[in-house]
Amino acid sequence: QQQVKQSPQSLIVQKGGISIINCAYENTAFDYFPWYQQFPGKGPALLIAIRPDVSEKKEGRFTISFNKSAKQFSLHIMDSQPGDSATYFCAARTMNRDDKIIFGKGTRLHILP
Amino acid sequence: DADVTQTPRNRITKTGKRIMLECSQTKGHDRMYWYRQDPGLGLRLIYYSFDVKDINKGEISDGYSVSRQAQAKFSLSLESAIPNQTALYFCATSQDIQETQYFGPGTRLLVL
Repeated sequence: QQQVKQSPQSLIVQKGGISIINCAYENTAFDYFPWYQQFPGKGPALLIAIRPDVSEKKEGRFTISFNKSAKQFSLHIMDSQPGDSATYFCAARTMNRDDKIIFGKGTRLHILP
Repeated sequence: DADVTQTPRNRITKTGKRIMLECSQTKGHDRMYWYRQDPGLGLRLIYYSFDVKDINKGEISDGYSVSRQAQAKFSLSLESAIPNQTALYFCATSQDIQETQYFGPGTRLLVL
C-alpha cells in the first residue's frame, strides 16, 4: 500500500511532442505528490508538486494532472525539448511528521532532436 | 557553493573492505537521508535521521550503518562491502515543515 507505481520505465519522444509519465498509488492518506527530475551525473531535484485539492497544476511546459478517485497522477511535458532528456521520479507522502516520501522507480525520458 | 555535498564522488573498493560515505549540508535542515539508486529500481531509502538523536532504518538498511555527527553531517558506512552494494548513493536533506528534499550530487560506488 506504500508503493507508487510509475510507467513507462523508458520513453522516447520527438522534439516538440508531448511526453506523458503516469503514476498510481494505493494509500489514500497520501496528500502531497511531487515530481523530481534527474540529469545524468546529478542528484534529483524537485520539478513540480501538487496536492489533491486541485486536479491540475501547470508550471511552464510542465503540468501535473491529478485524478483523486482513480488514485492516479501524471506529468505532461508539452513541446518536449532535448534538454528535457532526464530521469523523472514521481513520489508521494502524507503530511504526518514521521512519514517519508515514497518514490516511483523512475522513467528515463529521451527527446529526439 | 553546493548546499549538499558528498564525498567521495567516486569510489572503487574490494569485497570485505569497510568504507564510509560522507554527507554535509549548509541548508540548516534537521532531516537527512541516505538513498541508493539502481537502474530500474529507483531510489530506495537506506537510513534517515530527523535530528542528531533520531536515526531510523529505511527499507534496505541491512549491511549499512550510519552516524549523525552533527546537524550538518550524516555518514553512511559499509562495514564489509559486497559486490551487490555497487550502486549510486545519494544523500538528501529536508526541513521539518517543508516537503522538498534536496539531494547531493551522489557517490558512485563500485565493489569488486
